[in-house]
Amino acid sequence: DAKTTQPTSMDCAEGRAANLPCNHSTISGNEYVYWYRQIHSQGPQYIIHGLKNNETNEMASLIITEDRKSSTLILPHATLRDTAVYYCIVRGYNTDKLIFGTGTRLQVFP
Amino acid sequence: GAGVSQSPSNKVTEKGKDVELRCDPISGHTALYWYRQRLGQGLEFLIYFQGNSAPDKSGLPSDRFSAERTGESVSTLTIQRTQQEDSAVYLCASRLGGSNYGYTFGSGTRLTVV
Repeated sequence: DAKTTQPTSMDCAEGRAANLPCNHSTISGNEYVYWYRQIHSQGPQYIIHGLKNNETNEMASLIITEDRKSSTLILPHATLRDTAVYYCIVRGYNTDKLIFGTGTRLQVFP
Repeated sequence: GAGVSQSPSNKVTEKGKDVELRCDPISGHTALYWYRQRLGQGLEFLIYFQGNSAPDKSGLPSDRFSAERTGESVSTLTIQRTQQEDSAVYLCASRLGGSNYGYTFGSGTRLTVV
């Protein structure tokens, strides 16, 4: 069972920051938060992951609250090519499979 | 190779026939995963390999589904006596085992059972 809750859909204007929230209130201490996205007709693409600290890479930033019960994926300057379904996934350190929920469909508009 | 390669990219088969789907993971990736994605739905986990063994087969939907992996590389997912409800995109992913790196997914095989 997916352990995360995400909004079904969101819109974002091109060039603006897209902030995608995720609730994972039952997360335990050794579980990581992963973000993937799936652009239409392609396989899911890894974006970023984190445990406690905020993380940043060339694609996005991940902000995890201090209690770790929620997180936000930030795309700093959304483009039309960022239109996709974004999945927030919780994975245990000793669990080796990702359980995908229904994700958030992000629509970036001109 | 540079990425996870799946073949064929598209497969149309008649109901009742057997099909084999192939996955070539990234070289050196010891962990390999199969997922299924029906039209308009999320990804369903099917099976996971660590090396050539499959510690988790819990997602295989019936005994018509089986998978094997040889030489810690190529994996084959076989569906026997295909049914129309087997129509989906079958996705393969690989990962450096024991690490927290993300999975790398292939582009999938779109299976249509007619």
